[in-house]
Amino acid sequence: QVQLVQSGAEVKKPGASVKVSCRASGYTFTGYYMHWVRQAPGQGREWMGWIHPNSGGTDYAQKFQGRVTMTRDASVSTAYMELTSLRSDDSAVYYCARGAGGSYFDSWGQGTLVTVSS
Amino acid sequence: QSALTQPPSASGSPGQSVTISCTGTSSDVGGYIYVSWYQQHPGKAPKLIIYEVSKRPSGVPDRFSGSKSGNTASLTVSGLQAEDEADYYCSSFAGGPWVFGGGTRLTVL
Repeated sequence: QVQLVQSGAEVKKPGASVKVSCRASGYTFTGYYMHWVRQAPGQGREWMGWIHPNSGGTDYAQKFQGRVTMTRDASVSTAYMELTSLRSDDSAVYYCARGAGGSYFDSWGQGTLVTVSS
Repeated sequence: QSALTQPPSASGSPGQSVTISCTGTSSDVGGYIYVSWYQQHPGKAPKLIIYEVSKRPSGVPDRFSGSKSGNTASLTVSGLQAEDEADYYCSSFAGGPWVFGGGTRLTVL
């Protein structure tokens, strides 16, 4: 079955960067978009962008442009999301989610808690 | 503040029906058929339960149904069961980005 397994929790200082990984199994990694979504405490979910693992093409939400980079390593079926210049309001649970049908997310990772604190 | 508005909580007794609303704008919910709903139990990964307004993925009970009218989508859970107690989130394609609701905690009394 489809599984997305994310890397563990991170604690970062303001101004630092974080890179979260998402290892896919149970399907052809290069055949589906991978999205990244975050949820800050007490906030709703926020779409950050997607990467197509076959081409490496990306599309980022305007809010994160310039600070986020999504990459992939197809040889290990893993997608990555790096967020730079971290601020306290970047503290959130970050999810990877497989895109399906061009319009929804049919499998999700378990989430990675990123805490930004001095 | 979330782009889509959901009630923070909903509740019902076992066997009853509960409907959760998700209100957006003509730029998201009202403009596309691409509304989806997700269920999340504490400590678990989110699970897709409805896509394209009213379609159910394989394995999702037909107690879960979705609909849309104008800028508001709705998720109805019929015949409530204890295991339905969870957080529910709506999402809509918005022409490039996707937007989400703030989530509704469903309590089975």
